[in-house]
Amino acid sequence: GAVVSQHPSWVICKSGTSVKIECRSLDFQATTMFWYRQFPKQSLMLMATSNEGSKATYEQGVEKDKFLINHASLTLSTLTVTSAHPEDSSFYICSAAGTPAYEQFFGPGTRLTVL
Amino acid sequence: QQQVKQSPQSLIVQKGGISIINCAYENTAFDYFPWYQQFPGKGPALLIAIRPDVSEKKEGRFTISFNKSAKQFSLHIMDSQPGDSATYFCAARSLQGAQKLVFGQGTRLTINP
Repeated sequence: GAVVSQHPSWVICKSGTSVKIECRSLDFQATTMFWYRQFPKQSLMLMATSNEGSKATYEQGVEKDKFLINHASLTLSTLTVTSAHPEDSSFYICSAAGTPAYEQFFGPGTRLTVL
Repeated sequence: QQQVKQSPQSLIVQKGGISIINCAYENTAFDYFPWYQQFPGKGPALLIAIRPDVSEKKEGRFTISFNKSAKQFSLHIMDSQPGDSATYFCAARSLQGAQKLVFGQGTRLTINP
């Protein structure tokens, strides 16, 4: 299967700071990328869908001004958590899909801890 | 209508036994049903997937059974091994839904040696 990487794999930051997480498709062009959040022992919750070159579509209840998503190229999407607070601590996972989008390939996840 | 209900929440199976996880859905527009395996601290990995035009798909020890009329599908793991201990998620996707996956709640599977 295709490979998706995330960087960093874990990050600890202070409350009020911003954190950027990168998601890269290493061996295919991802026309669509998805960002999920997963709390301990829970399922994946879709935060937003992004298509290369266009604005992300956010799920209901996800603050677009807090979770900034940029999909500037067919191999890179970034999620920036602005003014992070302890309740934003979670496991953030991206996935990428090519064309046709029959499969989503998931990244290894980024563990964010906000102190 | 977008939900996918998964059961059981947790499952303990003896080594060599059969692990069975079930999912049910309501949205008849769903056309792709994957199963994902997730180990602690890792992202989910696609295990096996099925489309509604077939009733069963087998890959190695993993089999999906699909019942379109009942709107249910299940994952069977034959000859379960301790290395299969993980959390399993079923999911469903509709072509009408911008390729979004709807995930089940997850099943924590433990295989006792």
